Amino acid sequence: GENVEQHPSTLSVQEGDSAVIKCTYSDSASNYFPWYKQELGKGPQLIIDIRSNVGEKKDQRIAVTLNKTAKHFSLHITETQPEDSAVYFCAAETGGFKTIFGAGTRLFVKA
Amino acid sequence: DTEVTQTPKHLVMGMTNKKSLKCEQHMGHRAMYWYKQKAKKPPELMFVYSYEKLSINESVPSRFSPECPNSSLLNLHLHALQPEDSALYLCASSLGHLGGEQFFGPGTRLTVL
Repeated sequence: GENVEQHPSTLSVQEGDSAVIKCTYSDSASNYFPWYKQELGKGPQLIIDIRSNVGEKKDQRIAVTLNKTAKHFSLHITETQPEDSAVYFCAAETGGFKTIFGAGTRLFVKA
Repeated sequence: DTEVTQTPKHLVMGMTNKKSLKCEQHMGHRAMYWYKQKAKKPPELMFVYSYEKLSINESVPSRFSPECPNSSLLNLHLHALQPEDSALYLCASSLGHLGGEQFFGPGTRLTVL
């Protein structure tokens, strides 16, 4: 079955710096790669996603890159703000509704 | 309405109790999911309903019984739970064609004594 590895588990940055979170997946049939942000006491919320036919996608301060050959995808957050502090999960979906989440990255943005 | 609602927010139950968790969405989504999330861990898929039919059951113990009465509602019936079942139970929904973006509710924090 699919396995998703995520690094780092904890990331601390200064406000205004960039943050990068990396994930690898094992199933080459995976075709959808969402990133979710989970704040304390809330459910995960989608912040950006990418499909396997696209290499890069950007939405304001957030970007995701996908390398299908290496089975690797990354989240980039620029100009970080204190409100970006949360747990971020990458995930992979092979179709058929089954989504496998990475272990999560706890991001701290220091003001 | 782009919201998934879950009730109750918190639930404490004994190992002999029977209780139910409820989830509702009015976005016209045809896929609904139950996840279990332990502290500092990612969500783990339990069940998926697609067009009101059980599509995925991730080998969940029978003390958890899902039900999808209609396209807007999803229930999780609980019976004879164990303390290790204490967790945050998340409901999510998606359009229902081939997965895609999932909209999560805030979860029900379950404690089994």
